[in-house]
Amino acid sequence: KAGVTQTPRYLIKTRGQQVTLSCSPISGHRSVSWYQQTPGQGLQFLFEYFSETQRNKGNFPGRFSGRQFSNSRSEMNVSTLELGDSALYLCASSNPGGTYEQYFGPGTRLTVT
Amino acid sequence: QKEVEQNSGPLSVPEGAIASLNCTYSDRVSQSFFWYRQYSGKSPELIMSIYSNGDKEDGRFTAQLNKASQYVSLLIRDSQPSDSATYLCAVKGGNKLVFGAGTILRVKS
Repeated sequence: KAGVTQTPRYLIKTRGQQVTLSCSPISGHRSVSWYQQTPGQGLQFLFEYFSETQRNKGNFPGRFSGRQFSNSRSEMNVSTLELGDSALYLCASSNPGGTYEQYFGPGTRLTVT
Repeated sequence: QKEVEQNSGPLSVPEGAIASLNCTYSDRVSQSFFWYRQYSGKSPELIMSIYSNGDKEDGRFTAQLNKASQYVSLLIRDSQPSDSATYLCAVKGGNKLVFGAGTILRVKS
């Protein structure tokens, strides 16, 4: 089975811009979770989508949003970028109802200048 | 108190030794526990999951769970330099995983 894919892998944006990141889960997985990873804060949960619905949301400002499509692919959007948004953004897919094991994609490295 | 706590390390062990990584969690109702390995510049990779008290072995890895003490550990036998990485403990809480900050493991050859 192909793993989780994320695009783009690297991104450089300017403060104030917006960005959209994409995630394709493992075939058959219907749940996609997004995380932000920084050296200072570690892995922080952003949100989870299942069947096109946001099931859970972490403690991030409204500038961070996401959505999921009928094919389970997911996107996250960050508007009005700030320098502190520079991070590795990871998505993970899982098949809920089972073991809840999550499998991570390679991540998108976002740098805000 | 953080929800999931790990010693940040680094934990240094000689090649061939047993590496012992520990994790405590605060939510008593948690039922699912995971260990991930993350190499520098890479994404986390799931290496072990455990759901019931006791030990679970997979190759050189053994996960141990004690729900009464709210404690999860990972033992790596016959440690190899390739095991050098950050090990993340994760606990399922609601519909999300809560991660510890990770323990850096260094295996010296």
